[in-house]
Amino acid sequence: EVQLLESGGGLVQPGGSLRLSCAASGFTFSSYAMSWVRQTPGKGLEWVSTISGSGDYTYYADSVKGRFTISRDNSKNTLYLQMNSLRAEDTALYYCVRYSSGWLLVYWGQGTLVTVSS
Amino acid sequence: EIVLTQSPGTLSLSPGERATLSCRASQSVSSNYLAWYQQKPGQAPRLLIYGASSRATGIPDRFSGSGSGTDFTLTITRLEPEDFAVYYCQQYGSSPIFGQGTKLEIK
Repeated sequence: EVQLLESGGGLVQPGGSLRLSCAASGFTFSSYAMSWVRQTPGKGLEWVSTISGSGDYTYYADSVKGRFTISRDNSKNTLYLQMNSLRAEDTALYYCVRYSSGWLLVYWGQGTLVTVSS
Repeated sequence: EIVLTQSPGTLSLSPGERATLSCRASQSVSSNYLAWYQQKPGQAPRLLIYGASSRATGIPDRFSGSGSGTDFTLTITRLEPEDFAVYYCQQYGSSPIFGQGTKLEIK
């Protein structure tokens, strides 16, 4: 059974940093691209970033480019999102999501809440 | 960049009725890479439809998707109580795009 368990969320001040982690199990982690998708009550679902299975390729939404870095450790079956220069508008529930082989977002974690506020 | 616009924003229907949800793209969706997700309160989204019209594993046949190019539809025949939720369309790929969602509520 595919399981994705996010951690690392919390309250951080504007301009601060946070690193999210996603522990994956139940599949061959290195074989699948992974994404972070966030959700706010006002804006619905927003894709944040994607990383290929090998980690060689990364993609970012314009809203986070230059501030967030996605990475993975295939030896630890763990996905990361390093978030710097955080803004109030980054406040959201952050989901870790696994792709299928056909670029479908199929398996979702339960999310970790990030609140950016002074 | 493609923008996906869903309508209506909220749809009020009764169990047993038919629901028709629309998703319109600002430009053609390549290879019909259009998916639909269902999200219930406190839960992560669940994949319902991919390739515009193919049901994901375990999805009941009362859910169906149709459309191509810029206009897509999710139809739910004979609404069950558990179908009342928020539905999102999505263009999938390495940089996916979501619509803003349609809330399906009990009338």
